[in-house]
Amino acid sequence: DVKVTQSSRYLVKRTGEKVFLECVQDMDHENMFWYRQDPGLGLRLIYFSYDVKMKEKGDIPEGYSVSREKKERFSLILESASTNQTSMYLCASSRLVPPNEQYFGPGTRLTVT
Amino acid sequence: DQQVKQNSPSLSVQEGRISILNCDYTNSMFDYFLWYKKYPAEGPTFLISISSIKDKNEDGRFTVFLNKSAKHLSLHIVPSQPGDSAVYFCAAGGADGLTFGKGTHLIIQP
Repeated sequence: DVKVTQSSRYLVKRTGEKVFLECVQDMDHENMFWYRQDPGLGLRLIYFSYDVKMKEKGDIPEGYSVSREKKERFSLILESASTNQTSMYLCASSRLVPPNEQYFGPGTRLTVT
Repeated sequence: DQQVKQNSPSLSVQEGRISILNCDYTNSMFDYFLWYKKYPAEGPTFLISISSIKDKNEDGRFTVFLNKSAKHLSLHIVPSQPGDSAVYFCAAGGADGLTFGKGTHLIIQP
């Protein structure tokens, strides 16, 4: 069974704080993804990575950065958290080649006050 | 511009009946399509997929139909059960990864 874990289920941070969200997968997947989910907006891709130290911007990268130092770990960083970054953050991983369905972690509900 | 559209934000179906969730897409280059199910406060879980070269794929109570000429796919759940109440996301895959729809909230009524 594929397992994708995220460091926190719930997080409360103050405006301006630096926030780290960590994701680990145990299936040796090449691809890893960070999404945010907001009501009425579905899943929006923030960043993805297809290899160690490689990263690509998704649809909404502004205000975020990522780090992938090891194949199994993909971190999302909010350099200076703002209230409009309050959201559910979802990490996913997949194989590089099709069929490459994405497997998701349980999500982190981040609230920025 | 939305490439994957789920036009029904919610759908209510009686237990035991068929649930039909719809999805439309605009990009004819998509190679495969997937459906995910999501409960509140959990990550989406993969349900079923279909390659663009097929028109039907079945897995237990779940069947996905693809109509390439209409750029339309649908997920059929028969019979619907209370545990099927969740948000369902349609996704389309191609060279650039997955593109998700905004989701349909399925509510199964007793």
